Amino acid sequence: GQQLNQSPQSMFIQEGEDVSMNCTSSSIFNTWLWYKQDPGEGPVLLIALYKAGELTSNGRLTAQFGITRKDSFLNISASIPSDVGIYFCAGRSNFNKFYFGSGTKLNVKP
Amino acid sequence: GAGVSQSPSNKVTEKGKDVELRCDPISGHTALYWYRQRLGQGLEFLIYFQGNSAPDKSGLPSDRFSAERTGESVSTLTIQRTQQEDSAVYLCASSWGNQPQHFGDGTRLSIL
Repeated sequence: GQQLNQSPQSMFIQEGEDVSMNCTSSSIFNTWLWYKQDPGEGPVLLIALYKAGELTSNGRLTAQFGITRKDSFLNISASIPSDVGIYFCAGRSNFNKFYFGSGTKLNVKP
Repeated sequence: GAGVSQSPSNKVTEKGKDVELRCDPISGHTALYWYRQRLGQGLEFLIYFQGNSAPDKSGLPSDRFSAERTGESVSTLTIQRTQQEDSAVYLCASSWGNQPQHFGDGTRLSIL
């Protein structure tokens, strides 16, 4: 089956620092998605990427759909305390099935 | 409502009992997914419904797990003879076309 490797597993950073996390897949995807999950809530969509090479920003967040269609990264610039949470990547296959990474837990020190 | 709605939000039950979890997708969303999330873990795919097609049940961990969906609306996930390892958050998501999934807040299931 499809394997999604997300790294790092966790990060401890100082407020104001930039953050980068990425996902790689054993197979190609048609869509890459990035979600954030706060405690006690479901994942919330941050950014959706639909084309290989696409670079998309949403405020302080920037994500890219890798040229090979097997990878994606998410950058967060100038982190703030409310960025704390778990970030998940997800890829959508040809069969409209979604595969999720294991998550990156982000901790931000004020 | 505007989002995916799940009920109950929390469920505590004794080992061996059956439980039924409900998901109301966003209106018009043809696809519906169930996931399991154990404490501190990622999302584990369980089952996927797409319109009137046969569901993809490839993620169901055992025959104690089953799910139904009525047309393109409500879905129920049933776990029979619950075990302690079933304790987790069960998340439902819906989507349409090639659009991203939108998630509910989940049902937190605790098996005593």
